[in-house]
Amino acid sequence: GENVEQHPSTLSVQEGDSAVIKCTYSDSASNYFPWYKQELGKGPQLIIDIRSNVGEKKDQRIAVTLNKTAKHFSLHITETQPEDSAVYFCAASSAASKLTFGTGTRLQVTL
Amino acid sequence: NAGVTQTPKFQVLKTGQSMTLQCAQDMNHEYMSWYRQDPGMGLRLIHYSVGAGITDQGEVPNGYNVSRSTTEDFPLRLLSAAPSQTSVYFCASTSILMNTEAFFGQGTRLTVV
Repeated sequence: GENVEQHPSTLSVQEGDSAVIKCTYSDSASNYFPWYKQELGKGPQLIIDIRSNVGEKKDQRIAVTLNKTAKHFSLHITETQPEDSAVYFCAASSAASKLTFGTGTRLQVTL
Repeated sequence: NAGVTQTPKFQVLKTGQSMTLQCAQDMNHEYMSWYRQDPGMGLRLIHYSVGAGITDQGEVPNGYNVSRSTTEDFPLRLLSAAPSQTSVYFCASTSILMNTEAFFGQGTRLTVV
């Protein structure tokens, strides 16, 4: 089955700096790669996703890049703000349904 | 639009007790799933269902049962709770036909003592 590795496990950045979280996956059949943000006491919420027919996708301060040859994808957050502090999860699947998650990255944005 | 609703939010069980975690969605999604979240381990799939009457095992199914009698509901049953089942449980739903994202409930924090 699919195996997703995520790094780093914790990340501390100063407000205004950029943050990058990286994930690798093992199953070459995977073609859907979402990123979820989880705030304390809440369920994960999708912030951006990418499918294997594109290499990059942006949504305001958030971008995701995908390298299918190397089987890795990354989340980029620019101009970080305190409200970006949360746990971020990457995931992979061959559809939007059966997701395999990474172990999560706790992002702390300091003033 | 309520989305995915989980009840209860918190629960404490004694070892050996049984209970059912409820999950309901109002988006007419075909696919529903249960995950458990443990520190440092991300979310792991317990069971999933692609439609009413159809269920299948995920990565960590032992100790859990599910059923799907309607499109809306997907309860998770613990028949004999064990301390190893202390975790936060999340239910999610997705539309396979519409290829939507997975929507998650708010979670149930379960402690087995």
